[in-house]
Amino acid sequence: GENVEQHPSTLSVQEGDSAVIKCTYSDSASNYFPWYKQELGKGPQLIIDIRSNVGEKKDQRIAVTLNKTAKHFSLHITETQPEDSAVYFCAASSGNTPLVFGKGTRLSVIA
Amino acid sequence: ETGVTQTPRHLVMGMTNKKSLKCEQHLGHNAMYWYKQSAKKPLELMFVYNFKEQTENNSVPSRFSPECPNSSHLFLHLHTLQPEDSALYLCASSQDNQAGGGGNEQFFGPGTRLTVL
Repeated sequence: GENVEQHPSTLSVQEGDSAVIKCTYSDSASNYFPWYKQELGKGPQLIIDIRSNVGEKKDQRIAVTLNKTAKHFSLHITETQPEDSAVYFCAASSGNTPLVFGKGTRLSVIA
Repeated sequence: ETGVTQTPRHLVMGMTNKKSLKCEQHLGHNAMYWYKQSAKKPLELMFVYNFKEQTENNSVPSRFSPECPNSSHLFLHLHTLQPEDSALYLCASSQDNQAGGGGNEQFFGPGTRLTVL
């Protein structure tokens, strides 16, 4: 089955700097890669996703890149703000299997 | 608000108690999920229901019993739990066209924080 590895487990950045979180997956059939943000006391919420027919997707300060050959995808957050502090999860799915999640990255943005 | 509600938000129970967690989605989705989230583990998928039929059971102990009476409601019945079952239990829903569920955004509820004494 699918296995998703996520790094780093914790990340601290200064406000205004960029943050990058990386994930690798094992199943070459996976074609859907979402990223979720979980704030304290809340459930995970989708912030951006990418499908295997594109290599990059951007939404304001957030971007995701996908390298299918290397089986890895990354989340990029630019101009970080204190409200970006949260736990971020990557996930992968082949479309007919449930999402498999990474272990999460705790991002702290220091003002 | 994500359109997925869970009750109760917090639950403390003894090992001999029987309790139920409830999840309701108002999004018209056809797939619903139970996840367990512990402090040092990733989101663990427990059960998947697609079109009210259970399509996934990830080797979950029988002390956890799911019920999906319709596509909008999902329950998790708990009995004779262990302290290691203390965790955040998350419900999610999605609109999926395939039996296994997946490939589309999952909307999560806020979770039930369960403590087993």
